[in-house]
Amino acid sequence: SQKIEQNSEALNIQEGKTATLTCNYTNYSPAYLQWYRQDPGRGPVFLLLIRENEKEKRKERLKVTFDTTLKQSLFHITASQPADSATYLCALDEGGSYIPTFGRGTSLIVHP
Amino acid sequence: NAGVTQTPKFRILKIGQSMTLQCTQDMNHNYMYWYRQDPGMGLKLIYYSVGAGITDKGEVPNGYNVSRSTTEDFPLRLELAAPSQTSVYFCASSGAGLAGGSSYNEQFFGPGTRLTVL
Repeated sequence: SQKIEQNSEALNIQEGKTATLTCNYTNYSPAYLQWYRQDPGRGPVFLLLIRENEKEKRKERLKVTFDTTLKQSLFHITASQPADSATYLCALDEGGSYIPTFGRGTSLIVHP
Repeated sequence: NAGVTQTPKFRILKIGQSMTLQCTQDMNHNYMYWYRQDPGMGLKLIYYSVGAGITDKGEVPNGYNVSRSTTEDFPLRLELAAPSQTSVYFCASSGAGLAGGSSYNEQFFGPGTRLTVL
């Protein structure tokens, strides 16, 4: 069956360090993968999209990698700040339908 | 632009009652979606629409109905509310596939409706 896995345990890191979140998937052939941020009590907010033929995408302090061989995407936040504390969701779309499937998300806590 | 708006923000229903969750977007997006999110879980797709007059079921449609009479509005109807429908409901929209719009499916979410069924 199709499965998207994000670490259910919260990631705790110290301010200034690089946070790395993982999204693994099985039985998908995603055309692209997205990352969203969700703050408590709010709707998700789109951050980055990476296509299957792209290895890496950057936006300011954010970096996403996409390895279709490993079936994995890594989401990095460099020089993390307490304001980066949130839940981060990955979403996969196999293309054509525009109906992505979301992972459960990983909570990131950045300590000052 | 207000983006995606949802009403109400909170609601408590008794078992068997009905209600409509409202969703409106002002971005002229063709795609609209309804998700539910239970604690610690990801977003589960309830229904979606690819344009006015067209709707389709998602992963968890039972107990819900939708309509899409205009591009802007996509209400979600709960008939005969059950405790299992206690959740946070998010509406989203996307301009995927539109001429001049995104080729991909970045979704814009509303603030959510927290529903409790007792």
